[in-house]
Amino acid sequence: NAGVTQTPKFQVLKTGQSMTLQCAQDMNHNSMYWYRQDPGMGLRLIYYSASEGTTDKGEVPNGYNVSRLNKREFSLRLESAAPSQTSVYFCASRRGINEKLFFGSGTQLSVL
Amino acid sequence: AQKVTQAQTEISVVEKEDVTLDCVYETRDTTYYLFWYKQPPSGELVFLIRRNSFDEQNEISGRYSWNFQKSTSSFNFTITASQVVDSAVYFCALMNNNAGNMLTFGGGTRLMVKP
Repeated sequence: NAGVTQTPKFQVLKTGQSMTLQCAQDMNHNSMYWYRQDPGMGLRLIYYSASEGTTDKGEVPNGYNVSRLNKREFSLRLESAAPSQTSVYFCASRRGINEKLFFGSGTQLSVL
Repeated sequence: AQKVTQAQTEISVVEKEDVTLDCVYETRDTTYYLFWYKQPPSGELVFLIRRNSFDEQNEISGRYSWNFQKSTSSFNFTITASQVVDSAVYFCALMNNNAGNMLTFGGGTRLMVKP
């Protein structure tokens, strides 16, 4: 009963390093999302994939890229990490339009 | 554009008190959905409720109740007889049928229930 699985749970990077956050869901959901959570700002959408093969920018896409590898997996890449990208990242998925989102447990990323 | 405002950033109550978390939203759409999520100290996001814009009936689930008023664009959440386990950050969110059907979150309200 895994739901949405994110890896890693914690990561520390130096400015300029790159990394990929992995996300997989086993609920056969069509849509997947990446959010970042910062104090006092709630969750803000970075990128989303409405269906396999499509990706679109959200509210705060700068500095990120995504790949919808298949229906199950949606990865988020930071090509050159910056301190402003220190945040908690959540992956989410849902079956269809207007359905609730199911969230992963989050990745705490610190960029020094 | 759509927006969700949770004006209360932090609330502190004593156990057994009732507490209401406010949520005000803005949207130009006539069809939309409102959500509440709970984020306990462990960090995960737990779905609490979804309400569509055509259903203004209030809902009660145990100690939780929700008051949806389209006239004031509000979707408030009340916890009756609060418990320490209710301590969490609560997020209100709005989803419409446009703009990729994205979910827009408010800034969250941190609720602390003291014994």
